[in-house]
Amino acid sequence: KQEVTQIPAALSVPEGENLVLNCSFTDSAIYNLQWFRQDPGKGLTSLLLIQSSQREQTSGRLNASLDKSSGRSTLYIAASQPGDSATYLCAALYAGGTSYGKLTFGQGTILTVHP
Amino acid sequence: DAGVIQSPRHEVTEMGQEVTLRCKPISGHDYLFWYRQTMMRGLELLIYFNNNVPIDDSGMPEDRFSAKMPNASFSTLKIQPSEPRDSAVYFCASSLRIQGIYGYTFGSGTRLTVV
Repeated sequence: KQEVTQIPAALSVPEGENLVLNCSFTDSAIYNLQWFRQDPGKGLTSLLLIQSSQREQTSGRLNASLDKSSGRSTLYIAASQPGDSATYLCAALYAGGTSYGKLTFGQGTILTVHP
Repeated sequence: DAGVIQSPRHEVTEMGQEVTLRCKPISGHDYLFWYRQTMMRGLELLIYFNNNVPIDDSGMPEDRFSAKMPNASFSTLKIQPSEPRDSAVYFCASSLRIQGIYGYTFGSGTRLTVV
């Protein structure tokens, strides 16, 4: 069964701190790995997408890495700000059969950055 | 483009009533997904379509749930009869495969409350 797990479930940090969110997936036959942000009562916003052939992607203060062999991805947020407070979701896109094209999501990490 | 448009934003209905959720995907996207989000189970894929054809409906919880995509610009998710345990946020997402990269866009969701 294809599963995605995120640790920790919740994280609270002071403003300015660098932090790492973790994601693990059970099947290495992924097509890509995506990180999303969800604000309370809102939809999902795509942050970064890493293709299976890539090792990392960067956007501003965000850096996502992918290690297929160990089944792990990390999202690194530098110099965190209160505006970064949200739920961060990791999702794996699996290839093959009826899995082709659909995302499997982790449960998310609720991040709170306090001033 | 206005993004993925879902309606209604909120729906409150009585148990036993029929509920229809609507989604307009981004023009030109060839995949459409219906997800359900609850606190207990997180984001679950219910069904997805490719070029208006249902590909995988294994996530549809019961026969009370049905989904259609009569054309490339419209999809519905129907629950008949509705039950309190169907209360959740239902998201629609669309995707386009360009050069092997799937760009996902989510709608803002429909918050369904069944009383």
